[in-house]
Amino acid sequence: NAGVTQTPKFRILKIGQSMTLQCTQDMNHNYMYWYRQDPGMGLKLIYYSVGAGITDKGEVPNGYNVSRSTTEDFPLRLELAAPSQTSVYFCASSYTGSGTQYFGPGTRLLVL
Amino acid sequence: AQSVTQPDIHITVSEGASLELRCNYSYGATPYLFWYVQSPGQGLQLLLKYFSGDTLVQGIKGFEAEFKRSQSSFNLRKPSVHWSDAAEYFCAVGAELTGGGNKLTFGTGTQLKVEL
Repeated sequence: NAGVTQTPKFRILKIGQSMTLQCTQDMNHNYMYWYRQDPGMGLKLIYYSVGAGITDKGEVPNGYNVSRSTTEDFPLRLELAAPSQTSVYFCASSYTGSGTQYFGPGTRLLVL
Repeated sequence: AQSVTQPDIHITVSEGASLELRCNYSYGATPYLFWYVQSPGQGLQLLLKYFSGDTLVQGIKGFEAEFKRSQSSFNLRKPSVHWSDAAEYFCAVGAELTGGGNKLTFGTGTQLKVEL
C-alpha cells in the first residue's frame, strides 16, 4: 500500500513558467488536500476536494488551480510561477471529512 | 478563526530524559486536535489525535497528549526520549470546511534536538 504519493520530489522553475504537481492516493479516500509549507511556518491549506469533480479554495489559493477527475488523483497546477511560490507542497487525504489526514512526502519547489 | 501556538521553536533534551512540547489553540467549538511529526525531508506522520472522550490520548512511539479545555492546551509528552525522536513536531487543530472536509491549522512547529 503506497498511501499518498507525490511527484516530482524537487523542481526548479523560472518565473512565468507553469507546472503541475501530481498527487495520487490508493486508499480510496474521498477527501484530498493541498498544503504549502514555508520555512519556519506551519502548513497552509491551498485547495481541497471532497470527492471527484468537487473542489474548493482553502486559505491561500491565489496562483494555483486544481482539478479532481478521479478519486485517486488531485493535481495542483501553477500557471505563472512566481518567487513567492517557492515552498514545499504537501498533498494529504482522508477517508472522512473529520478523519485523520495522511500526508505525502512533499514536493520542494524553487522559483527563480 | 482557529489558531495554534507552539511557544517553543527549539527544544534540546538528553536521551532518556522526559519531554513536554507545548501547544495552545484557539477555536470556538470542541476542537479536533492533532500532533504530527516531520523528519527531515519527509512528510508528516500522525502521532496522535483527540476528537472526544478521554482527555489523555495515547499515540505511537510512546507519545501521549493531554487535552485541557480550561487551558486551551494540548501538550505532547514522552517519559523517555530516544535519539530517533529528533524531528520537528507540529500541533494542529481541525475545523470543518463549509464544503465538507476538515481544514487543519498548524502551529509553527517545535524542533526537537536530542543529545546523546
